[in-house]
Amino acid sequence: AQTVTQSQPEMSVQEAETVTLSCTYDTSESDYYLFWYKQPPSRQMILVIRQEAYKQQNATENRFSVNFQKAAKSFSLKISDSQLGDAAMYFCAYRSRDDKIIFGKGTRLHILP
Amino acid sequence: SAVISQKPSRDICQRGTSLTIQCQVDSQVTMMFWYRQQPGQSLTLIATANQGSEATYESGFVIDKFPISRPNLTFSTLTVSNMSPEDSSIYLCSVPGRSIPNTEAFFGQGTRLTVV
Repeated sequence: AQTVTQSQPEMSVQEAETVTLSCTYDTSESDYYLFWYKQPPSRQMILVIRQEAYKQQNATENRFSVNFQKAAKSFSLKISDSQLGDAAMYFCAYRSRDDKIIFGKGTRLHILP
Repeated sequence: SAVISQKPSRDICQRGTSLTIQCQVDSQVTMMFWYRQQPGQSLTLIATANQGSEATYESGFVIDKFPISRPNLTFSTLTVSNMSPEDSSIYLCSVPGRSIPNTEAFFGQGTRLTVV
């Protein structure tokens, strides 16, 4: 069975600085998708970034980028120029072959003004 | 992408009663998923709802407690039965994206359930 591990329950970063959230996963599948979701207090799940396992190039979306290391089964999220609106719970997630999404325990990100 | 409407958005219920949560999708989808998010926790998959067949439940979740209906390809309901305070959670429905690059899951707004 697949598992997703986020080892940082909480993190803080100064506004305008850069922060990296860690995620590792375990799977025996060769093709899969990885995601980072953001959940603000409104509880809506918002996709931040996606990565296809067959792509070697790391995904980027504006201030958000990932460091995808397939062999190491590592998928970290880097947020550059942190903004107050980035404060939220961040979940690393894995989509398995049967379309189920498996989530890590989450990292609560605080932005310090 | 998919737009998902979920209701109610929140409810406060007495223990021992049941609540049915509805999930409506703006397009036809084969699979729908129901998740539970306990306070301060991550999302845990309850079951997979396929149209025309029985829902498939994950370990720790049973049909008697969480009956699911899936009458057509755009609609599903989850009932939380015989509620206790431990059932206080956010419940979310979700559908998987089908076309590259939209491979992520799309979520409803969630139902915040408080059992007193």
